Amino acid sequence: DGGITQSPKYLFRKEGQNVTLSCEQNLNHDAMYWYRQDPGQGLRLIYYSQIVNDFQKGDIAEGYSVSREKKESFPLTVTSAQKNPTAFYLCASSISQGGDQPQHFGDGTRLSIL
Amino acid sequence: AQTVTQSQPEMSVQEAETVTLSCTYDTSENNYYLFWYKQPPSRQMILVIRQEAYKQQNATENRFSVNFQKAAKSFSLKISDSQLGDTAMYFCAFMTNAGGTSYGKLTFGQGTILTVHP
Repeated sequence: DGGITQSPKYLFRKEGQNVTLSCEQNLNHDAMYWYRQDPGQGLRLIYYSQIVNDFQKGDIAEGYSVSREKKESFPLTVTSAQKNPTAFYLCASSISQGGDQPQHFGDGTRLSIL
Repeated sequence: AQTVTQSQPEMSVQEAETVTLSCTYDTSENNYYLFWYKQPPSRQMILVIRQEAYKQQNATENRFSVNFQKAAKSFSLKISDSQLGDTAMYFCAFMTNAGGTSYGKLTFGQGTILTVHP
């Protein structure tokens, strides 16, 4: 089945530690996105990528980093500089950027601080 | 910058009845898209319906329809014949279709929790 796979489902981070969230898609989509969801709030864009080897900061990029070395993969690293990382993280992809191409979402990763 | 506001944190409806969720947005642009996404307890985001701003006709998808009032910057979602499986958080979202740094980026509202009672 085609879709977006996020792993792990749950992740725990110790103080001062970097952690990486995986996002893989087999939809042959060019554009990929990372969102953060906090309780009682909508999704906020962290980073997005229109094409391989290119990515742009979203609205809340501080403390996060990404790479896009392959079309299928867009991992997100939560660095120790992110002081409040506890949240639900969602990855999405679309054929290309633009409203005529809806974004498809993965099942999410819940990150907590130990 | 665009903003999206959902003023109803929670709503409830009886099974088989109709419910309307409200959404307002603020933008200076004329060319954009509006979306409603559904997030059930499983937490996966599912696209419910999409509206293109230049289309006057309101979008419909089976039991889901929108009331798009461009001048008022209002975009409400009507769910007819509500089913237990409609229980979820619903998000309204905006995307500009103009160029620039915001192109292709979704801006979400805070969400409305809808509970359908048997």
